[in-house]
Amino acid sequence: QVQLVQSGAEVKKPGASVKVSCKASGYTFTSYDINWVRQATGQGLEWMGWMNPNSGKTGYAQKFQGRVTMTRNTSISTAYMELSSLRSEDTAMYYCARYYSSCLDPWGQGTLVTVSS
Amino acid sequence: SYELTQPPSVSVSPGQTASITCSGDKLGDKYACWYQQKPGQSPVVVIYQDTKRPSGIPERFSGSNSGNTATLTISGTQAMDEADYYCQAWDSSTVVFGGGTKLTVL
Repeated sequence: QVQLVQSGAEVKKPGASVKVSCKASGYTFTSYDINWVRQATGQGLEWMGWMNPNSGKTGYAQKFQGRVTMTRNTSISTAYMELSSLRSEDTAMYYCARYYSSCLDPWGQGTLVTVSS
Repeated sequence: SYELTQPPSVSVSPGQTASITCSGDKLGDKYACWYQQKPGQSPVVVIYQDTKRPSGIPERFSGSNSGNTATLTISGTQAMDEADYYCQAWDSSTVVFGGGTKLTVL
């Protein structure tokens, strides 16, 4: 079955960077864009950007421009999202999700990133 | 920037019909998706391309999209349908989510 499995929880200090991985299985990794979405505790969904695993082309939400980098390693069907200059407001659950039929499906299990001094 | 507006909460009695709306400028010209998210879980698509239901999603879930409003309808609502629901559309190559609606079944 189509599945996205993300890396484990992270605790970072303000100003640091975090890199979250998302390993795809059950489909051809290079055929579908990967999107990243975050959700602070008790809050709604916030889209961060997308990446085409075939070309490496990316598109980022304006809010994260300059702070987020999305990359991939096609040999291991894995996408990455790196967020830099972390601040406390970046504490959230981070999800990867495949673009499919105009929606995001499926989603990874989420990676909790905690930013704390 | 494009915005999608949902009511923060909707309440429904078991067995009744719940309707959750999502409003945005000319939303009917775009495809709408609906996600269900239960506590501690990742979102799951319940409606895609306005009206289509993924395999495994019960028939009681249906969707429509016209004008400025997309609607998710749950017929014969069950206790297990209590969750947060988010609408989503694409605008200018960006994903836009509604603020989410908490559906309470009481």
